[in-house]
Amino acid sequence: TQLLEQSPQFLSIQEGENLTVYCNSSSVFSSLQWYRQEPGEGPVLLVTVVTGGEVKKLKRLTFQFGDARKDSSLHITAAQPGDTGLYLCAGLGGSYIPTFGRGTSLIVHP
Amino acid sequence: DTAVSQTPKYLVTQMGNDKSIKCEQNLGHDTMYWYKQDSKKFLKIMFSYNNKELIINETVPNRFSPKSPDKAHLNLHINSLELGDSAVYFCASSPTPDSGNTIYFGEGSWLTVV
Repeated sequence: TQLLEQSPQFLSIQEGENLTVYCNSSSVFSSLQWYRQEPGEGPVLLVTVVTGGEVKKLKRLTFQFGDARKDSSLHITAAQPGDTGLYLCAGLGGSYIPTFGRGTSLIVHP
Repeated sequence: DTAVSQTPKYLVTQMGNDKSIKCEQNLGHDTMYWYKQDSKKFLKIMFSYNNKELIINETVPNRFSPKSPDKAHLNLHINSLELGDSAVYFCASSPTPDSGNTIYFGEGSWLTVV
């Protein structure tokens, strides 16, 4: 089983602050995904990164895939209360079925 | 219309009972999944079906039996429920998996075993 470690596990910040969430593994992945899950709902895919070193931007969110395709980061600029949620990274191996990390719970206070 | 729908959303039942959770997707996807999310929010794959055929069974107890009558449906039946089965169960679907596999999740079924 390919294990994904996410850090930090919990993050509580004020509106306007920047933050970075990390996702690390000893395994190489075909691709890596980030999901956001809000209370009472299922996870929703934010982005898929496929190429080592790839950087993708989604408004104030920046996603990076490590050169060796073992790790990834999610950076949020000027966080807003609407960013509150559980952020999950997921690695895709040979079966292309996501294996999830344990998540980072983010709270952004107004 | 909801893309992946699962019922019931909430289920409270006693130990030893048998229960089922139904799932339907209207996205025309070939692959369906069941994931379990525990109280610490860890989301773990249980089963994966492709065109009604089981392709992944991640060492789930055989009290859990998925059934796929057609590729739009994947139901989960659980026998002899135990306290440790309490969790949120998510059904999901995707096109045939590749490196850009986009998984669409249902809203979850909250199972509480008392």
